[in-house]
Amino acid sequence: EAAVTQSPRNKVAVTGGKVTLSCNQTNNHNNMYWYRQDTGHGLRLIHYSYGAGSTEKGDIPDGYKASRPSQENFSLILELATPSQTSVYFCASGGRGSDYTFGSGTRLLVI
Amino acid sequence: GDSVTQTEGQVALSEEDFLTIHCNYSASGYPALFWYVQYPGEGPQFLFRASRDKEKGSSRGFEATYNKEATSFHLQKASVQESDSAVYYCALSANNNNRIFFGDGTQLVVKP
Repeated sequence: EAAVTQSPRNKVAVTGGKVTLSCNQTNNHNNMYWYRQDTGHGLRLIHYSYGAGSTEKGDIPDGYKASRPSQENFSLILELATPSQTSVYFCASGGRGSDYTFGSGTRLLVI
Repeated sequence: GDSVTQTEGQVALSEEDFLTIHCNYSASGYPALFWYVQYPGEGPQFLFRASRDKEKGSSRGFEATYNKEATSFHLQKASVQESDSAVYYCALSANNNNRIFFGDGTQLVVKP
């Protein structure tokens, strides 16, 4: 069954530390997305990718980097984590003009 | 730019009540319109979509009709159940665009 898998499911990080969130999809979708979800803000797009080797800035990219080494994998990198980046992060994959398949989310706490 | 507005931040109902969650959009042409549902502890799930004026999308008893004139895509269900309690997102994808724009979501709470 096609799916989007995120790891880790939960993460506690120290302020100033580096955090990498991973996402793997078996949908063979070209497009992948990283969102964060906070109360009162819904889903906000951080970075996205059209295929292996490409990354694009979304609406709130500051403080985040992304990496798409292959069709299946898309990572979100916080080089210097801050408490303001405490949130729930969702990865999604999708085809052109089609709906998205979301992962189950990563809950990140930066202390 | 393209955007989606959901009027209600939270809706509280009793079982068997009629549900309406309002969604209005701003985009040129005929964007694809979507509804997603998110249950606690899970990612959002695709519910259904519509791509043409007056087209009705539906799934699991929920439905919405694409209204180009009113730029709306309101979600309705005739009789809600406690298991419908979740966050509902309206979304759009503009023509020839790889992005889906989401509204802020509406929390539905259904009491037994």
